[in-house]
Parts: sequence; structure tokens; C-alpha cells
Amino acid sequence: DIQMTQSPSSLSASVGDKVTITCQASHDIKKDLNWYQQFPGKAPKLLIYGASNLATGVPSRFSGSGSGTQFIFTISSLQPEDLATYYCQHYESLPLTFGGGTKIETK
Amino acid sequence: QVVESGGGLVQPGGSLKLSCVASGSNFRGSPVHWVRQSSVKGLEWVGRIRSYTNDYRTAYAASVAGRFTVSRDDSKNTAYLQMNDLQTDDTAIYYCARQLDLLVVAFDIWGQGTMVTVSS
Repeated sequence: DIQMTQSPSSLSASVGDKVTITCQASHDIKKDLNWYQQFPGKAPKLLIYGASNLATGVPSRFSGSGSGTQFIFTISSLQPEDLATYYCQHYESLPLTFGGGTKIETK
Repeated sequence: QVVESGGGLVQPGGSLKLSCVASGSNFRGSPVHWVRQSSVKGLEWVGRIRSYTNDYRTAYAASVAGRFTVSRDDSKNTAYLQMNDLQTDDTAIYYCARQLDLLVVAFDIWGQGTMVTVSS
């Protein structure tokens, strides 16, 4: 199975900050990587697919990059409504696996 | 909108069948997946069923293979997860989710989740 390692597991940031989360895959997954946002008690929401493609209706302050084994998720200017937990997920092969999550809190 | 149901409390070794009904969202031509989430294991992919164009082929995580079965009834826009021989580490919130398209295995529509608790 491909292991997805996210870092950091949590971070504190202020509104307006640029926030970066990394996801490392244990094997080459090309660009088969998605990012999700999740609020407590809610289902995850797709933000980025195929490493860098913005899902429908997602604000442009969210972006993704990377290929192979190293991926980056960026919020260019953190907004109060972005305080949530973010997950990466690969789809290069079965089984699909998720990263452990990054919780963004306010500083 | 996607609504799951069928969760609850069950004893180890017991069974449950979860349902996932899509209204206003067309699941018919899309693969449907089940994903679970627990505080211990985080988000975990459980299994999926492809559409009629791919012969409704299924695939499962190793941890549930042989115990869980995914099925669908496109006439009812509904997917199911039959869970047998449930164990305590199957305790989780179970979500169904639609796959974005045939090439990109991303989940663009999710249900609200249904809680499954396995305990004696």
C-alpha cells in the first residue's frame, strides 16, 4: 500500500497568512493526488484534484502543486472560514489512502 | 444530496447494511465509494463499485475483503454496504461518495455519514 505522510499535523496561523501543507507519498504517484477540507461533524469537501486542479466553486486562494512523491497545498491568504482540517489522498492504485490530516487553528 | 442510513450499535460478529440514496445527484454513471473515519485510523477507504458500463466491478480494502459487500440499485439511485462479521475496529463514521469521473478518483459528492458502533 502507498503511505501518505502529511506535515505538519497541526499549525497555527493568522488571518491573511500564507499557509503551506506538504504531503509525501511512499511511492511515485505521478499527479494522482487530491486535497480535501473537513469541518468537525461534516464530510470532507474536495478542493483540489489531480494535484493542481481546482474543484468547482473552490476559491482561487487554494492551490496545489507537485508530482511524484512530493506535493504542496497552499492557502495564499488564510480566511477565518478556512480553519479546518485538510487531507491529501492518492489514487495511483488501490487501495486508496489518505494522509493523517493537518488541522489549521488560529494563532 | 446524498443521504446515508442504516448505522447503529451492533455486537461483534453482527451485521449491518448501510444505504446511500442520491437525490438530485446522478450516481447512475459514476463509481461509488465507501470511506470510513475513526479517531484511531483517520480516513480509510473501504471499497467501491463501478457503474453498469464497467460491469459493476467491485474492489475492497484488505481489512474488509470477504466481510463487506458493496452493491447498487441504479433504478433507485442507491448504493449499499453490507457489513458482516463486524469487529470493534470497524467502529467509525461511514460515508458514501461519488467519484468525480472515470479517470480521476476524487470524491466530489459525499453523504453526511452514518455512525457504526461495534461493541458488546
